[in-house]
Amino acid sequence: AQRVTQPEKLLSVFKGAPVELKCNYSYSGSPELFWYVQYSRQRLQLLLRHISRESIKGFTADLNKGETSFHLKKPFAQEEDSAMYYCALKGAQKLVFGQGTRLTINP
Amino acid sequence: NAGVTQTPKFQVLKTGQSMTLQCAQDMNHEYMSWYRQDPGMGLRLIHYSVGAGITDQGEVPNGYNVSRSTTEDFPLRLLSAAPSQTSVYFCASSRTSGGTYEQYFGPGTRLTVT
Repeated sequence: AQRVTQPEKLLSVFKGAPVELKCNYSYSGSPELFWYVQYSRQRLQLLLRHISRESIKGFTADLNKGETSFHLKKPFAQEEDSAMYYCALKGAQKLVFGQGTRLTINP
Repeated sequence: NAGVTQTPKFQVLKTGQSMTLQCAQDMNHEYMSWYRQDPGMGLRLIHYSVGAGITDQGEVPNGYNVSRSTTEDFPLRLLSAAPSQTSVYFCASSRTSGGTYEQYFGPGTRLTVT
């Protein structure tokens, strides 16, 4: 079975501080992992995918198969990073999401 | 190229009423999905389709029906609405191209069942 766990429902940090949003997954096959972001009252949009190993808006995420984790990190948070973040796992056919973490950046 | 469109944007139903949420995509994607978004629950998969004529259940299919007669359209039907179905519903279409998976979401339908 596919399962994604985001242990923090809420995360609040100050502007300029480092940010880490945690994501753990459970999947017996070879996973494909993503981070999606949803700004206030907007549709979900793709932020990162693990296979491209890119940095988007200063965010990075590394797949750790040993710890079954895909944590999202940014060294210096900005106020415009305030949003809902979802970690997602694609198995054979389905894309399954975690519960989401609401990130608030305080000025 | 409109991407993924959903109608209506907002809907209020009384318990027991039926309705259909519409979803259309113009990207010729083979995969389409319906999710509901609830506070603290994240996005949960309701039903999905891997192509015209093929549908399957997701995590929370009870109370919902789908069909996929064309590649473009994937309507979600609530047969007898219940207050527990109050939620924001997102439709998505996706494809795998060159080994890369891409999924695009619609703007959502906010449904309230009283």
